[in-house]
Amino acid sequence: DTAVSQTPKYLVTQMGNDKSIKCEQNLGHDTMYWYKQDSKKFLKIMFSYNNKELIINETVPNRFSPKSPDKAHLNLHINSLELGDSAVYFCASSQDSGGLFYEQYFGPGTRLTVT
Amino acid sequence: KNQVEQSPQSLIILEGKNCTLQCNYTVSPFSNLRWYKQDTGRGPVSLTIMTFSENTKSNGRYTATLDADTKQSSLHITASQLSDSASYICVVREDTGFQKLVFGTGTRLLVSP
Repeated sequence: DTAVSQTPKYLVTQMGNDKSIKCEQNLGHDTMYWYKQDSKKFLKIMFSYNNKELIINETVPNRFSPKSPDKAHLNLHINSLELGDSAVYFCASSQDSGGLFYEQYFGPGTRLTVT
Repeated sequence: KNQVEQSPQSLIILEGKNCTLQCNYTVSPFSNLRWYKQDTGRGPVSLTIMTFSENTKSNGRYTATLDADTKQSSLHITASQLSDSASYICVVREDTGFQKLVFGTGTRLLVSP
């Protein structure tokens, strides 16, 4: 069974459109994350939710809005897409955010291409 | 500024050979350091975790070392296999507040037959 799943795997869209990426984890974890991996393969955290509450919000444009309907889901909605939004977006989850040895489990990624 | 730098950026080795990847960090205060393997088109997967008091940890053909004094870590891969071709990412955790993770830019390893 897939631990952290994301849909879609690929997303090609035009500038100005609004799109969503869905993420689900079946590990029973309390904390979920969204990361952006740019063309240089650098992973940067965007958001983190713990038990449906936002706990990390890095300097991300407000066009990006995470939504956590329940502990197992963290969706990412992007308004007015721009060329610079093209990247691979990874969802991840962990048992908690503060345990010393907590490990983040990553989804397979969603490759977003904005044309 | 807390940073994690990795070298080399990319590496090509022949199957069966050994290699060592380097990670230097300035993250402080330090909590722990993980090495992740990221296969093409997939999310990163944890290989090892090192805490302040640990110098060496092995996971099969992967051996990680940590020198907390010089803030350096290495990942040694022995008897490389084609399936080792991937990006290897060093991730250091801050021991403050939310304990944020600081990611390195990774080393892309290609094992050729």
